Amino acid sequence: EVVLTQSPGTLSLSPGERATLSCRASQSVSSTDLAWYRQKPGQAPRLLIYGASSRATAISDRFSCSGSGTDFTLTISRLEPEDFAVYYCQQYGNSYSFGQGTKLEIK
Amino acid sequence: DVQLEQPGAEVKTPGESLKISCKGSGYRFTDYWIAWMRQMPGKGLEWMGIIYPGDSDTTYSPSFQGQVTISADKSITTAYLQWSSLKASDTAMYYCARHWGGGLGALSPLDYWGPGTLVTVSS
Repeated sequence: EVVLTQSPGTLSLSPGERATLSCRASQSVSSTDLAWYRQKPGQAPRLLIYGASSRATAISDRFSCSGSGTDFTLTISRLEPEDFAVYYCQQYGNSYSFGQGTKLEIK
Repeated sequence: DVQLEQPGAEVKTPGESLKISCKGSGYRFTDYWIAWMRQMPGKGLEWMGIIYPGDSDTTYSPSFQGQVTISADKSITTAYLQWSSLKASDTAMYYCARHWGGGLGALSPLDYWGPGTLVTVSS
């Protein structure tokens, strides 16, 4: 089983700042088999980025991801109010698993 | 538009059975894998299993194997998640979601999600 560990657990930033969220895998994951989702309170998760760096439909270019092997990063430039939510990484190349989530909160 | 419809909530007592639904529309239901996820109160997402409605091929997470049954009725474009005997610890939000596919089948991200069904099990 591939265990995904996200850090930090909570990230406190202000609108306009840059956010960097980490996802570390217990074994190597292909970058094409990793996705990021955002979940706002009371809503279902929404796909943000998948594959090496493909953004889902209607997702702003402020979102980007990088990484390979066991370490992956989601970067959100110029935070906007709607970005404050919980973010999950998921791998789908070796069965399926989600990270435990990073909460991005307003400072 | 692609949509996955789920009932909003179910309230049951321990020991009861339950079958919740996920109705797909706006796309060819038989061509895309459907996944089920559990989210316990205040917690993260857990992958439970997947089904291919075209032939009902199913795979379960080891954590949920034997605890739930995933099925589908392609004639009414609906997938199901079923329990035979609920426990209080089954209280959670349950989401269905569609695998994007794109020639990769289930080795792809989840592009459309249902709104979730909140299952409450309490005596």
